[in-house]
Amino acid sequence: GENVEQHPSTLSVQEGDSAVIKCTYSDSASNYFPWYKQELGKRPQLIIDIRSNVGEKKDQRIAVTLNKTAKHFSLHITETQPEDSAVYFCAASLSGGFKTIFGAGTRLFVKA
Amino acid sequence: DADVTQTPRNRITKTGKRIMLECSQTKGHDRMYWYRQDPGLGLRLIYYSFDVKDINKGEISDGYSVSRQAQAKFSLSLESAIPNQTALYFCATSVSGRGSNNEQFFGPGTRLTVL
Repeated sequence: GENVEQHPSTLSVQEGDSAVIKCTYSDSASNYFPWYKQELGKRPQLIIDIRSNVGEKKDQRIAVTLNKTAKHFSLHITETQPEDSAVYFCAASLSGGFKTIFGAGTRLFVKA
Repeated sequence: DADVTQTPRNRITKTGKRIMLECSQTKGHDRMYWYRQDPGLGLRLIYYSFDVKDINKGEISDGYSVSRQAQAKFSLSLESAIPNQTALYFCATSVSGRGSNNEQFFGPGTRLTVL
């Protein structure tokens, strides 16, 4: 069945360093790839997304890249800050479709 | 602000009890979902509904049932709770239609413990 694998499960970085989270998906029909951030005790919220007709998208300190051929996509956070500490979920879906498949999540710790 | 709300926020119950988790939304979205979150397993879809007359099973529907009482309300029931249903449950909504990306808007979550 459809699957999204996410690595690493835990990531610890020093404040100011970069963090990279990687995901692979199995359904080649997927064309929409959102990333959600879940702070401790809070609900997941969309932080950035990318569609399959784009290879890279950037929003201030965060960027996403997509390699459709390899079915890989990644989240890049530069100049990390303590408030970036959270669980990050990648996901894949068919744009306009009903089903979103989530990765298992990455717990990011940013040490001050 | 338009929002998704869930009640209760926390619940402790015993094995065999019937439990209902409720979700309401003021976003005007037509699609509603129930997810379960477990450590290391991410968010797994239990049931989803496109409108009041539409109910569909997700990947882990066994042991659960749902009711879409109105466009704004979607309830999840555990007919006979068991300990491995201990988890954090999220309701979510999204909007359908041309150009929609199916972004999920989550409620605050219900932490359920089954003893």
